[in-house]
Amino acid sequence: GNSVTQMEGPVTLSEEAFLTINCTYTATGYPSLFWYVQYPGEGLQLLLKATKADDKGSNKGFEATYRKETTSFHLEKGSVQVSDSAVYFCALSTDATGKLIFGQGTTLQVKP
Amino acid sequence: GAVVSQHPSRVICKSGTSVKIECRSLDFQATTMFWYRQFPKQSLMLMATSNEGSKATYEQGVEKDKFLINHASLTLSTLTVTSAHPEDSSFYICSAMTGGAGGYTFGSGTRLTVV
Repeated sequence: GNSVTQMEGPVTLSEEAFLTINCTYTATGYPSLFWYVQYPGEGLQLLLKATKADDKGSNKGFEATYRKETTSFHLEKGSVQVSDSAVYFCALSTDATGKLIFGQGTTLQVKP
Repeated sequence: GAVVSQHPSRVICKSGTSVKIECRSLDFQATTMFWYRQFPKQSLMLMATSNEGSKATYEQGVEKDKFLINHASLTLSTLTVTSAHPEDSSFYICSAMTGGAGGYTFGSGTRLTVV
């Protein structure tokens, strides 16, 4: 079946450090891939997305490239800020029903 | 942009009572909405897909008689947790399709505590 696997957290970084959160997926067909961010006590916000192989999604300094050959969609940011502290979810969607399948989430803590 | 309003944000109820959670699309029509449940420090589990004017489609293992979903209009879907028990305490989140690839908007979630 379809699934998403993220690196386990929490990830703790100092401000201005480089961030990578790994995400790999298993899916039939050609899924769309997403990164969502969840701040404490809130719902999810779409951070970025990619709908086909080699697409790069980017937003607010975050980037992720859809790698079909490695079935990956790793999230990166060159210089994190304290305000980036949140839980990050990788997700995929494969069909017209619109169901999203989420990874387990990775907590990021950025310290000043 | 598309906004989904979810209410209440927090609710505390006694065991055995029912709780209704509303999810409204404010500036678009949502023919399909999704209800998720999130346990502490865990991922989101899809509970059901709500389609306007028809019965909801529940995921395997989700009790449809306990988690009643109604999608009576293009802008409103409701989740009612019936005869709530402490194990139903969780964070419930709705989302709506807004069209196009990746077109999902999430509500802000409801923290349900059953005492």
